[in-house]
Amino acid sequence: NAGVMQNPRHLVRRRGQEARLRCSPMKGHSHVYWYRQLPEEGLKFMVYLQKENIIDESGMPKERFSAEFPKEGPSILRIQQVVRGDSAAYFCASSPSTATNEKLFFGSGTQLSVL
Amino acid sequence: DQQVKQNSPSLSVQEGRISILNCDYTNSMFDYFLWYKKYPAEGPTFLISISSIKDKNEDGRFTVFLNKSAKHLSLHIVPSQPGDSAVYFCAVGYDTGTASKLTFGTGTRLQVTL
Repeated sequence: NAGVMQNPRHLVRRRGQEARLRCSPMKGHSHVYWYRQLPEEGLKFMVYLQKENIIDESGMPKERFSAEFPKEGPSILRIQQVVRGDSAAYFCASSPSTATNEKLFFGSGTQLSVL
Repeated sequence: DQQVKQNSPSLSVQEGRISILNCDYTNSMFDYFLWYKKYPAEGPTFLISISSIKDKNEDGRFTVFLNKSAKHLSLHIVPSQPGDSAVYFCAVGYDTGTASKLTFGTGTRLQVTL
């Protein structure tokens, strides 16, 4: 009964380093979403991907952030040259289809701390 | 520019009593509304939803009420149990849209005391 798997759970990076966050969706799910929760804020949509395609990246910062969901393997959220403001909890969610009323299944998140 | 507001960051309720969590939104075009529950060190889990064609949806101890004219929704938990202690997020979106268009509130931390 594997749910959405995210790793690592905690990631510490120094300013200027790269952060790679991984997400394996639930079995049978081909839609992946990344959300970010900054301190004292709600979850904010970042990007929506299907296998090998970025469908909606309207919530992604224009620079330093990228995401992919290759044909094989997990989805990756990559943050280059991290800054302190990138410190947040990053949640991945998956769904079997695109309908809003399809419940999103969230992973436990990756807590990124930038020193 | 917060489109979804949960004005109470925390709420404490005695076991057995009713918990009422509130959520306000600004865009009258939203027509699908959800509540998620989050325990520490875990991701949010779906709790209950309602579309704009209804004003109430009930699932066991959980009931969501929607007041479209006031752009307000609420979650009622009756009776509250200690296991309900968690952070509750409301989320709003479009019934014909995609899950990528969900907008979440900042959450309300519910503490159910013995």
